[in-house]
Amino acid sequence: KAGVTQTPRYLIKTRGQQVTLSCSPISGHRSVSWYQQTPGQGLQFLFEYFSETQRNKGNFPGRFSGRQFSNSRSEMNVSTLELGDSALYLCASSPGQGVKIGDGYTFGSGTRLTVV
Amino acid sequence: AQSVTQPDIHITVSEGASLELRCNYSYGATPYLFWYVQSPGQGLQLLLKYFSGDTLVQGIKGFEAEFKRSQSSFNLRKPSVHWSDAAEYFCAVGAGAAGNKLTFGGGTRVLVKP
Repeated sequence: KAGVTQTPRYLIKTRGQQVTLSCSPISGHRSVSWYQQTPGQGLQFLFEYFSETQRNKGNFPGRFSGRQFSNSRSEMNVSTLELGDSALYLCASSPGQGVKIGDGYTFGSGTRLTVV
Repeated sequence: AQSVTQPDIHITVSEGASLELRCNYSYGATPYLFWYVQSPGQGLQLLLKYFSGDTLVQGIKGFEAEFKRSQSSFNLRKPSVHWSDAAEYFCAVGAGAAGNKLTFGGGTRVLVKP
């Protein structure tokens, strides 16, 4: 069974540009969550999508957005990149939503974004 | 709001020695608690989780954790550390009914001496 696939693995962008990251969940999983990991702020929740709808949102500016497609694949977009957006972006997929989070909640290897 | 504190940023342990990583949480209801491990450049791997029931939880790779409600703690232990256990460890609390959202502690980096 294939795991959670995040593409690309590495990305270098210039300040002011925008970027789109992709996450393909485990087959049959309908929930995708995104996290940002930085040395200074640690792991922070960005948002969660379930059945193409955003169900939860973390405390990030509107420059961070996402969407989920009918096949459960998800993309996140960051517009007007800032140096502080340099981070490892992780996604996690899960069969369902809520209650016993953790059952099958599986992380991808992440996309390392560097903003220069 | 929920929060997780891992008091130790770094821990150095000799191979074969025991390991204990501390985790304290703040959450208004019954917490769903997790420990994850992250190797350099990799994603997070679930070591174990606690939802309810027996407060001593067994996980993968020989790890266990004990939930102590009175101390709001969920400490991770391993009796004998292997060099391959060198990694960063994260404790997290789940929002349960509020959806698939984890709040993580700052992490503890474990270095294993030969």
